[in-house]
Amino acid sequence: SYELTQPPSVSVSPGQTARIPCSGDALSKQYAYWYQQRPGQAPVLIIYKDTETPSGIPERFSGSSSGTTVTLTISGVQAEDEADYYCQSADSSGTWVFGGGTKVTVL
Amino acid sequence: EVQLLESGGGLVQPGGSLRLSCAASGITFRTYAMSWVRQAPGKGLEWVSGISGSGGSTYYADSVKGRFTISRDNSENTLYLEINSLRAEDTAVYFCAKTSAVGPLGFDYWGQGTLVTVSS
Repeated sequence: SYELTQPPSVSVSPGQTARIPCSGDALSKQYAYWYQQRPGQAPVLIIYKDTETPSGIPERFSGSSSGTTVTLTISGVQAEDEADYYCQSADSSGTWVFGGGTKVTVL
Repeated sequence: EVQLLESGGGLVQPGGSLRLSCAASGITFRTYAMSWVRQAPGKGLEWVSGISGSGGSTYYADSVKGRFTISRDNSENTLYLEINSLRAEDTAVYFCAKTSAVGPLGFDYWGQGTLVTVSS
């Protein structure tokens, strides 16, 4: 099995930019996906295939990839963006894995 | 509208068993692989098990291999997870999740989850 590593927390002021990195060897071979989870709610897919944004997701959410690290960027952070964010990937043998999650706090 | 509705959670003693269900609607169920993902109280997401659209291929996390069994009934649009030899560390909210049509390694729809509590 493999691991995905994220920072446990990120703090950002409203209107600023938050960046959340996620690293893991598998990310050089497989796409990454990002989810937002608010307390008491199910996760919501916000980025797929490293950089693509599903319909209905605000444009301030974007993803990028470089080598074994993918990054979720939230531009112009709003109070409603305060949540937990998880990266996720999978290997070709049918094993999915999530990062440990990053709590975004809007100051 | 896509809906995934889990059921079957509850309080169970250590060593006990439980069968979780996830009823799907609004999708051509047999077309999509499905997974179970759990979240222990105050902890992160953990992928538990996955199954192909036909049900012919199943996948498990090492932490549950041999104790959990995933299955599906495509005629009833329902996903199942049989959980045996339950341990305290299995206490979690269990979500069912549908693989994404545009990115098959990710999950674009999730249920609201069902809580499994293992305690004597």
